[in-house]
Amino acid sequence: GAGVSQTPSNKVTEKGKYVELRCDPISGHTALYWYRQSLGQGPEFLIYFQGTGAADDSGLPNDRFFAVRPEGSVSTLKIQRTERGDSAVYLCASSLGTGRNEQFFGPGTRLTVL
Amino acid sequence: DQQVKQNSPSLSVQEGRISILNCDYTNSMFDYFLWYKKYPAEGPTFLISISSIKDKNEDGRFTVFLNKSAKHLSLHIVPSQPGDSAVYFCAASERSQGNLIFGKGTKLSVKP
Repeated sequence: GAGVSQTPSNKVTEKGKYVELRCDPISGHTALYWYRQSLGQGPEFLIYFQGTGAADDSGLPNDRFFAVRPEGSVSTLKIQRTERGDSAVYLCASSLGTGRNEQFFGPGTRLTVL
Repeated sequence: DQQVKQNSPSLSVQEGRISILNCDYTNSMFDYFLWYKKYPAEGPTFLISISSIKDKNEDGRFTVFLNKSAKHLSLHIVPSQPGDSAVYFCAASERSQGNLIFGKGTKLSVKP
């Protein structure tokens, strides 16, 4: 079946602009996660959803970052007033539920802020 | 402060030999551990996991060992194959949390 998909695969923007990154999870997966991976680092947790609600957003670095999942499926990560330090690969993952369920990752969106 | 540490950035192994990747953690609340494999331009792929109630889990060529007293786990790949060349991430979670905490990864190169 189809895996987790993310669009766009690459996004180049200018400092100060607004960007939206999209994630389509595996059908039927109720939990959805966003991570950010900088060069030479492992994925770093940002936020996760159980259904439509954000169950834990403690990883969001500041209030420029926001994510939604209005119908409990597709999710959008929104970044306002982008900064050069936001440049990274943004990974989305989904799982059947939280806890001991394997998380399936998408290929990521590479964001470059000039 | 890194809660999950992979102290070897890279490892090179000959095809057919054993690869041993190591991971240390500091948070005693972690009770579930996973290994992911990542190829360039792809997302991480789940390999194998282990619960803190076990000390070993095996799946084909992959075995994960957990030493809770030392807060250490390792991934053994035997025999290693060139297709195993990738970056391997160790990850951990607490029962009450949904997110994973990842190490920085170890780049494994298996030479023919």
